[in-house]
Amino acid sequence: DAKTTQPPSMDCAEGRAANLPCNHSTISGNEYVYWYRQIHSQGPQYIIHGLKNNETNEMASLIITEDRKSSTLILPHATLRDTAVYYCIVRVDQGKLIFGQGTELSVKP
Amino acid sequence: KAGVTQTPRYLIKTRGQQVTLSCSPISGHRSVSWYQQTPGQGLQFLFEYFSETQRNKGNFPGRFSGRQFSNSRSEMNVSTLELGDSALYLCASSSPSGREQYFGPGTRLTVT
Repeated sequence: DAKTTQPPSMDCAEGRAANLPCNHSTISGNEYVYWYRQIHSQGPQYIIHGLKNNETNEMASLIITEDRKSSTLILPHATLRDTAVYYCIVRVDQGKLIFGQGTELSVKP
Repeated sequence: KAGVTQTPRYLIKTRGQQVTLSCSPISGHRSVSWYQQTPGQGLQFLFEYFSETQRNKGNFPGRFSGRQFSNSRSEMNVSTLELGDSALYLCASSSPSGREQYFGPGTRLTVT
């Protein structure tokens, strides 16, 4: 599975959009980009995934660059409950996720 | 639909003992994966079971083993516990498409 690079931490003001970047320059054609988050001491929570096209669901939007070497997770209106560690993962193996260190997002009032 | 459940939630064991953790996946999910989370190593993949067969394995010693039953429930076993096995053990079940994994709350194991 390709390696990902994320900033270790980010801050965001409550109510503003949180844009979390991820670099995956060695991604191969059949690898999907996944985002999970983990709120302190809980199990990780699936957010969204995509292959080539941008994706949106009720939680977030995922923007993947045309060359697929990077992506951005967007939380459109961050709330205090969005404070968590966000993991960007690329994978092809079903059932196996390789977690990096993630980005610790702090949403501040 | 009920989520992934794990039992017990907390466990304290002594070095050298063995432990069995249980995971019940979301109804209809046939794949169960196990992960270990420690402050030093982060979240690490242990193994995955699908239809009672181990399909994927991480880089852990043979003291860590698992199995899956015909109802998709899974157990993992750690024998000859070491202090370094203290961790949060997480179980996840995969959707039928295999795309999304849904995690349980974890079992916090403390080895003294």
